[in-house]
Amino acid sequence: AQSVTQPDIHITVSEGASLELRCNYSYGATPYLFWYVQSPGQGLQLLLKYFSGDTLVQGIKGFEAEFKRSQSSFNLRKPSVHWSDAAEYFCAVGDSSTGGFKTIFGAGTRLFVKA
Amino acid sequence: SQTIHQWPATLVQPVGSPLSLECTVEGTSNPNLYWYRQAAGRGLQLLFYSVGIGQISSEVPQNLSASRPQDRQFILSSKKLLLSDSGFYLCAWSVVGSGGYTFGSGTRLTVV
Repeated sequence: AQSVTQPDIHITVSEGASLELRCNYSYGATPYLFWYVQSPGQGLQLLLKYFSGDTLVQGIKGFEAEFKRSQSSFNLRKPSVHWSDAAEYFCAVGDSSTGGFKTIFGAGTRLFVKA
Repeated sequence: SQTIHQWPATLVQPVGSPLSLECTVEGTSNPNLYWYRQAAGRGLQLLFYSVGIGQISSEVPQNLSASRPQDRQFILSSKKLLLSDSGFYLCAWSVVGSGGYTFGSGTRLTVV
């Protein structure tokens, strides 16, 4: 069965510092992978997605993620964090085999940004 | 452009009362539609998804039901709410054959 693990419940970084959020997945075939961001009380916004091809994916708001099949990982990175990046981040894996394209989400990592 | 509307934004309901949450999508045809629930401090749990009118798949046995009376309308219902139904409910859509969801802004449901 598919699963997604985000090992860090919360992370605190200083504004301007680099960021890496970890994500590990379990899936039998080549996965469809996503990162979403959620501000408090809001819905989720898609940051980026990986389907195939180049393993380094660029997203919105200066984020990128790298797919590493050997490590079953899809870590999210940003070279310089801004205070507005404080939010909760969700990694997700999609399954198209059902026809409905279900997506399984990790438990999320809350990012705190300190001045 | 494609938009998704979800309402109400917040709802406080007594135990045993009925529930109806509505979600509509504009600017696309035949979308896949989804209902997720997010409990406090936890990830998202898929409740229902639909690949077409009248086609509903349930992921978790529970006190809730879903319906899709029109192509771009998805409704989450309950006949009698339980305290455990409290949470943040999110509607989402995706393009058939593709991935990546567009989420609504969510409904905060508190059952008292």
